[in-house]
Amino acid sequence: QKEVEQDPGPLSVPEGAIVSLNCTYSNSAFQYFMWYRQYSRKGPELLMYTYSSGNKEDGRFTAQVDKSSKYISLFIRDSQPSDSATYLCAMSPGGYIPTFGRGTSLIVHP
Amino acid sequence: KAGVTQTPRYLIKTRGQQVTLSCSPISGHRSVSWYQQTPGQGLQFLFEYFSETQRNKGNFPGRFSGRQFSNSRSEMNVSTLELGDSALYLCASSPTGTGVETQYFGPGTRLLVL
Repeated sequence: QKEVEQDPGPLSVPEGAIVSLNCTYSNSAFQYFMWYRQYSRKGPELLMYTYSSGNKEDGRFTAQVDKSSKYISLFIRDSQPSDSATYLCAMSPGGYIPTFGRGTSLIVHP
Repeated sequence: KAGVTQTPRYLIKTRGQQVTLSCSPISGHRSVSWYQQTPGQGLQFLFEYFSETQRNKGNFPGRFSGRQFSNSRSEMNVSTLELGDSALYLCASSPTGTGVETQYFGPGTRLLVL
């Protein structure tokens, strides 16, 4: 079992839908939780990070961390075709040496 | 402010050769990390440099090495290339005082080993 599990998808949704992306993990030492967006043939772009548990909101994006369940989520409201990309979760115990999920491919169709 | 730049963007090498990749971080960033991304293994951490010193290292063989210069630019070297080294190699920089939670990635160097 990998330390971080993420469904590769693809996840296909209509424009305007609420998207839920998730990762589970096994290492209870993880304290930093990040979400990246990666467009084809580009480097990952940091969307949000959360330290420890709780929720964080930034525009249409909300990140949730449930350490008791070892489960993190990224919600995208009012999804747009421009949100079509691969979304990577990443985690780190102390702010260094992150472990990444394999990424979920999201397709938002008009 | 200019982003992280990586050169070259594409590279083709043959087995047994060595390769050097270059990364210029965002101005003022002193931490540079390197990653390997493959379809099979995903994105994996190689190593991190801060102020010309390797601060953290991932689980890769000694064929993978790096260095950082006084201007924070970094190079990564892979010796005795293997077919399995074909990958997208990504560099990321972070502002001083932060860690991986505020990394900015470059576009990557795509290496193909024949």
